[in-house]
Amino acid sequence: EPEVTQTPSHQVTQMGQEVILRCVPISNHLYFYWYRQILGQKVEFLVSFYNNEISEKSEIFDDQFSVERPDGSNFTLKIRSTKLEDSAMYFCASSGDLSSGANVLTFGAGSRLTVL
Amino acid sequence: QKEVEQNSGPLSVPEGAIASLNCTYSDRVSQSFFWYRQYSGKSPELIMSIYSNGDKEDGRFTAQLNKASQYVSLLIRDSQPSDSATYLCAVNLDNFNKFYFGSGTKLNVKP
Repeated sequence: EPEVTQTPSHQVTQMGQEVILRCVPISNHLYFYWYRQILGQKVEFLVSFYNNEISEKSEIFDDQFSVERPDGSNFTLKIRSTKLEDSAMYFCASSGDLSSGANVLTFGAGSRLTVL
Repeated sequence: QKEVEQNSGPLSVPEGAIASLNCTYSDRVSQSFFWYRQYSGKSPELIMSIYSNGDKEDGRFTAQLNKASQYVSLLIRDSQPSDSATYLCAVNLDNFNKFYFGSGTKLNVKP
């Protein structure tokens, strides 16, 4: 079954450092997303991406965050200067199956970011 | 502001009982509705999707949708301890691009 893959599974970084989280969405999906979940809290929308540009972003997605699709398969989230409060699980997701038209959101396993 | 509301729980049921999870949403143009299950430390996984009013059954799971009341529910029959997880309700607008999640209901199934 097609899946969304994310790397790394866990990253520990020092406050102020740049972090890049990587994702390979399902190949025939059209829409890509990043969500965040702080420990014990709800899944929060960060950004959606379609046709090589951001289609929507939340208030959380400020100037410290950026997304990129550097090639035909990868989708990255960059945090420029990490803060303690960026510690969370980051989920990549994709939707919009080109072949079936289904709009189900499929999540990757997540990347746990710990900022010290 | 698009709202998806769920009771945070925990909802405790004995093994073999029916667990009933509820969700309300604020936006009347919502088109698609989903239930995800999330085990602690894991990513959400899709349990059910429902698009039209009424019931949809898949094994031990039944999703119920009432668009007039802006209400969607999930019933889990013959609950098992392995069903213990947080259940997330999600609502989709504009078909592809917008998914809104509730805060989740924690379910405990006691052996």
